[in-house]
Amino acid sequence: DAKTTQPNSMESNEEEPVHLPCNHSTISGTDYIHWYRQLPSQGPEYVIHGLTSNVNNRMASLAIAEDRKSSTLILHRATLRDAAVYYCILRDTRPPNTGTASKLTFGTGTRLQVTL
Amino acid sequence: DSGVTQTPKHLITATGQRVTLRCSPRSGDLSVYWYQQSLDQGLQFLIQYYNGEERAKGNILERFSAQQFPDLHSELNLSSLELGDSALYFCASSVGQRAYEQYFGPGTRLTVT
Repeated sequence: DAKTTQPNSMESNEEEPVHLPCNHSTISGTDYIHWYRQLPSQGPEYVIHGLTSNVNNRMASLAIAEDRKSSTLILHRATLRDAAVYYCILRDTRPPNTGTASKLTFGTGTRLQVTL
Repeated sequence: DSGVTQTPKHLITATGQRVTLRCSPRSGDLSVYWYQQSLDQGLQFLIQYYNGEERAKGNILERFSAQQFPDLHSELNLSSLELGDSALYFCASSVGQRAYEQYFGPGTRLTVT
């Protein structure tokens, strides 16, 4: 599986935007970029995913570089509830990890602290 | 609340023993995934079932096995337990065609003494 590199930790002030970077220089054309987050004492939670184009949903935006070697998760207004470990994951869609077979390979993630 | 339930929440057992962890997926989800989260290994994918059949396998030890039943709930069996098996075990589920979005349960914390 292609690897991702994320900063170990980041800090943000509440109500401000947060840009969480992820480098994936060995990404292949069939890899989807996923972001999950894990709040304290909870299971991971899906945030967003994309392939080539930027994506928006109610939780966040995903900006993907043109060469796809990096991406950025954008939280538009951080709240205390957004304090979590954020994982950038590449999901390989080549066989056998295709169709109804799908595994996620988590790295170490970025621990986001949000302060008042 | 993700809609995925796991039992028990906590489990304490001794080395050499066998335990069974149970997972009920979200209503309508056909895929179930098992992950292990430990301090030294992080979150690791173990195995996936789709509609009763094994679909993907990760670094699951031979001492571990899983199955998905006709009602779609799943069980993860851990045997000959070792201290290093102490970890959080998460179950996740997804609708087959939307496998990119997995919904995780609250986890079972296993402590082997």
